[in-house]
Amino acid sequence: SAVISQKPSRDICQRGTSLTIQCQVDSQVTMMFWYRQQPGQSLTLIATANQGSEATYESGFVIDKFPISRPNLTFSTLTVSNMSPEDSSIYLCSVDLSGVYNEQFFGPGTRLTVL
Amino acid sequence: AQKITQTQPGMFVQEKEAVTLDCTYDTSDPSYGLFWYKQPSSGEMIFLIYQGSYDQQNATEGRYSLNFQKARKSANLVISASQLGDSAMYFCAMREDNYGQNFVFGPGTRLSVLP
Repeated sequence: SAVISQKPSRDICQRGTSLTIQCQVDSQVTMMFWYRQQPGQSLTLIATANQGSEATYESGFVIDKFPISRPNLTFSTLTVSNMSPEDSSIYLCSVDLSGVYNEQFFGPGTRLTVL
Repeated sequence: AQKITQTQPGMFVQEKEAVTLDCTYDTSDPSYGLFWYKQPSSGEMIFLIYQGSYDQQNATEGRYSLNFQKARKSANLVISASQLGDSAMYFCAMREDNYGQNFVFGPGTRLSVLP
């Protein structure tokens, strides 16, 4: 398994501002993932971040709105830019440790409220 | 088309009783994995159990078991001897080994355990 931390755990932001969410893993991982979970909804993959390359975004998500950095094998950031109330969600990072079941391990999430 | 279907938005179960949470999936990939995650109100995602498409036996992990019916494309989670701490959202997810290897999550089922 892995210990994954996210900062901040929650935040309340004003419309039009940006927030950067950090994800730290206690071991080196190749792939990190960012998900969005809107209120009462399931998880939707935003992008996959590999160290040393551009993030791969899923349909409906663009780099200008959700820029991602992956400077090393234990750290990644997701920025939510020019926020609107529709961006109010839980944002989760996860890692693929290629363990026994190839399950993904998730961070505790960042609860974002945009006013 | 939905790849993962969970037809029960909410379920109630009496403490110490067993409960089955339904999950059906859709894929043409012969190699895939099915996962169940629990999300308490705190927001973290907790991996519960895994079933591989080639596994001959149903997976079990403590009080959790997976009723895997491959021909019907169903992977129902069975929780035995429910506890109050089992109250949470439960998500079924699939990973297609040959089609991008990204996780796809179902809409979830909210389980409430009654004392």
